[in-house]
Amino acid sequence: QKEVEQNSGPLSVPEGAIASLNCTYSDRGSQSFFWYRQYSGKSPELIMFIYSNGDKEDGRFTAQLNKASQYVSLLIRDSQPSDSATYLCAVKSNFGNEKLTFGTGTRLTIIP
Amino acid sequence: DAGVTQSPTHLIKTRGQHVTLRCSPISGHKSVSWYQQVLGQGPQFIFQYYEKEERGRGNFPDRFSARQFPNYSSELNVNALLLGDSALYLCASSQPQGPQRPQHFGDGTRLSIL
Repeated sequence: QKEVEQNSGPLSVPEGAIASLNCTYSDRGSQSFFWYRQYSGKSPELIMFIYSNGDKEDGRFTAQLNKASQYVSLLIRDSQPSDSATYLCAVKSNFGNEKLTFGTGTRLTIIP
Repeated sequence: DAGVTQSPTHLIKTRGQHVTLRCSPISGHKSVSWYQQVLGQGPQFIFQYYEKEERGRGNFPDRFSARQFPNYSSELNVNALLLGDSALYLCASSQPQGPQRPQHFGDGTRLSIL
C-alpha cells in the first residue's frame, strides 16, 4: 500500500463545474495535509493546507479532511481553464521533521 | 518578498561527475528541505535542515549530502552521478518547525545526466 494515494486521472471537468480531487493516506499519525498545484515544467505551488477535521474554504477552493477515514479532498468550484494542472496531495507526519510525503498527483483538465 | 531561490536553473552533467545545487530560503525561514521529482511522480524527500542541523533524511544513497549555512541557505551535493539522478530537484523552506507550517517551493533545478 502506498503511503499517499491519489487518483492518477486524468480528470476532465467542464468549465464552470466542480472538480473533486481525492487523496488517502496510510499513516494515522499524520498531522497536516497540503494541496499543491503543479503546471507542466514548473515547481509545486501551495494551494491549501488543513490540519483539523472538517472543511476549510479559500475562495474557489475547499479542502476537506476526515482523519477517521484517512481521507483528504480538494474541491475546485467554478473551474477555469487556468486550473488545468497536476494536483499533488502531501502529508506531514509527526516525526519531528518537515518531511512531506507526496502522492503521484492527479492531472486535471478543464474543458472550455 | 523574494520567494525561495534556487540555482542553477538547468544543469547538464555526465555520469560519474558531481554536482552542487544551491538554495536560498524565504527571508525568515530557518528550515530548508530538498526533494527529488522524476517525471510523472510526486516529489521524494531527500533532506531537511533546520538551524544548520540535519533533521530528516529520506531513502537516498550516501552519494547525496547537504548542508545549511549560518544564513540558512543550503547546498545539495550529489557525487558519482548516475543516469537515474536525472530529475527536477526542489528546495522548500518553511518557518520554524510545526505541523501547521506549510513549505514553499523554489522553481527547482533541472538536472540532466548524459
